[in-house]
Amino acid sequence: GAGVSQSPSNKVTEKGKDVELRCDPISGHTALYWYRQSLGQGLEFLIYFQGNSAPDKSGLPSDRFSAERTGGSVSTLTIQRTQQEDSAVYLCASSRWSGLRPGELFFGEGSRLTVL
Amino acid sequence: GQQVMQIPQYQHVQEGEDFTTYCNSSTTLSNIQWYKQRPGGHPVFLIQLVKSGEVKKQKRLTFQFGEAKKNSSLHITATQTTDVGTYFCAGPAAGGGNKLTFGTGTQLKVEL
Repeated sequence: GAGVSQSPSNKVTEKGKDVELRCDPISGHTALYWYRQSLGQGLEFLIYFQGNSAPDKSGLPSDRFSAERTGGSVSTLTIQRTQQEDSAVYLCASSRWSGLRPGELFFGEGSRLTVL
Repeated sequence: GQQVMQIPQYQHVQEGEDFTTYCNSSTTLSNIQWYKQRPGGHPVFLIQLVKSGEVKKQKRLTFQFGEAKKNSSLHITATQTTDVGTYFCAGPAAGGGNKLTFGTGTQLKVEL
């Protein structure tokens, strides 16, 4: 596709349910990032994938959060046993890999999660 | 862990006034990027600075990377209503791989 695609765009769920958020990066981009943005706040780093390397999971807030990236392309962020504090916009971004430094991040429109 | 702070948090200006946001990292950065997020939108890349003391300009926007590579600034000359949004800096800690930590952001409002 032309840009980073995320789905669903909106998700309302009940506390305690599991949710899956999907990110389809720009073709050829080997780096993929997940961030979380609460209303009016900054971007909180969650996880980073680069090619076949082990992901940097240092930003995942708890073991209820996990993410995978299959075939070096599509990524899924899973939140188990959702809590109200998980409510936020989850942003995915992809970039080319220069071999030296992070490239320009291209963001998707985000998945807005509301936990009731 | 690495912390990246921006000041001010909010700025209201009259159209035509100048605006500056400052970005300060707790650790040395290998490079720095700037993004703009319009209300209701997603962050959009503006520029990347790599060298110590580097200055780059994009029309009315001037970006600077500090000599110690721990701070940066974005200056907008003669703001316009189209400049409204939140400006974020982001950078990886030197030697810290490619984890991009975003700053706290500066929200700019421009009034006619």
